[in-house]
Amino acid sequence: QITLKESGPTLVKPTQTLTLTCTFSGFSLSTSGVAVGWIRQPPGKALEWLALVFWDDDKRYSSSLKSRLTITKDTSKNQVVLTMTNMDPVDTATYYCARSKQYGDHYDFWGQGTLVTVSS
Amino acid sequence: QSVLTQPPSASGTPGQRVTISCSGRSSNIGNNYVYWYQQLPGTAPKLLIFSNNQRPSGVPDRFSGSKSGTSASLAISGLRSEDEADYYCAAWDDSLSSVVFGGGTKLTVL
Repeated sequence: QITLKESGPTLVKPTQTLTLTCTFSGFSLSTSGVAVGWIRQPPGKALEWLALVFWDDDKRYSSSLKSRLTITKDTSKNQVVLTMTNMDPVDTATYYCARSKQYGDHYDFWGQGTLVTVSS
Repeated sequence: QSVLTQPPSASGTPGQRVTISCSGRSSNIGNNYVYWYQQLPGTAPKLLIFSNNQRPSGVPDRFSGSKSGTSASLAISGLRSEDEADYYCAAWDDSLSSVVFGGGTKLTVL
């Protein structure tokens, strides 16, 4: 059974750095082709893809947010961490992590999401 | 402004067939697979269609996908009340080296 779960702060202040952890089970991020990605969704708005890390540590980032994002993996802990610097109220959103079985372009298992609010 | 363009809303009555369009460009839909996700209220998205027209195990065959050139469509036949949800298309974009989503279509079952 594949599961993913996001964890991290629910409230951050403007200019702070957000660190989110995705803890997963039921698959290995050392399996060829597998990737874990992050996608966010502001309240009432559309999905926005953020970043992904492949099994071989190859990484991809949203071109519009690349300067603010860092994604890392810890295969031994079955975790993927996303950091986003210089948070702003427009970054308020539900953040999801999800698994891609191959290529990183689609996600077959998703976490429940975690709502992060940016406010002073 | 999303990279892929979807109509903001669609509707139909039970039993009807509805289609949702998704328009892109050569760098995304034109050269890559299209994926569709269903997001029921208050839940995480669920993969509905992969590789343009393939259904994951467990997805009813009432759902079908197609692609032509730089556009794609999701069709839902035999519409049911439980199909009321937001639907998103997605694809890899070669120019952006990232996944791009459509703006989502809210489907209402009248």
